[in-house]
Amino acid sequence: GNSVTQMEGPVTLSEEAFLTINCTYTATGYPSLFWYVQYPGEGLQLLLKATKADDKGSNKGFEATYRKETTSFHLEKGSVQVSDSAVYFCALTSATGANSKLTFGKGITLSVRP
Amino acid sequence: EPEVTQTPSHQVTQMGQEVILRCVPISNHLYFYWYRQILGQKVEFLVSFYNNEISEKSEIFDDQFSVERPDGSNFTLKIRSTKLEDSAMYFCASSELTSYNEQFFGPGTRLTVL
Repeated sequence: GNSVTQMEGPVTLSEEAFLTINCTYTATGYPSLFWYVQYPGEGLQLLLKATKADDKGSNKGFEATYRKETTSFHLEKGSVQVSDSAVYFCALTSATGANSKLTFGKGITLSVRP
Repeated sequence: EPEVTQTPSHQVTQMGQEVILRCVPISNHLYFYWYRQILGQKVEFLVSFYNNEISEKSEIFDDQFSVERPDGSNFTLKIRSTKLEDSAMYFCASSELTSYNEQFFGPGTRLTVL
């Protein structure tokens, strides 16, 4: 079955530091890959996505590249801000339509200090 | 901006009681989902729903669980006889028909079973 593995957290960084959050996956077929973010007290929000190998998803300064050869989708940001403090989830789906359930990683809490 | 809403935000119940968690998906969406996250663990898929029937369910979604779309706007998850291990955050999500099926999540209901 499908699975997603995220690096262990939590992660604490100073403002303007470089961020990498690792994500690797196991899936059948050709999955679509996602990063979701959960800010305190809110629901999961889609941060970025990539639907095929070598695609790069980007949003709000975050980037992740779909690497099929290493089955990875690591999240990066060049300069984090305090407002980036949140929980980040890597996820995938290997189907479309009604059966496109998401398989999530455990999530990692990022705290950014001023 | 349209959003998925969930009520209540926190529900406390006694073991063996029935609970109903409510969700209002985004109005033009066709696919509906429930996920849950036990504290400190992964977000797990429970069930997907399309065209007024269950499309897929996980092994967690046993006979104690049911879903319903009683009218044109609400989507509910019922747990017939709650157990201690049902304590978790429950997320509702919805999506429209797209090739990659972006799912929009609600803020979650925290269920505490005593």
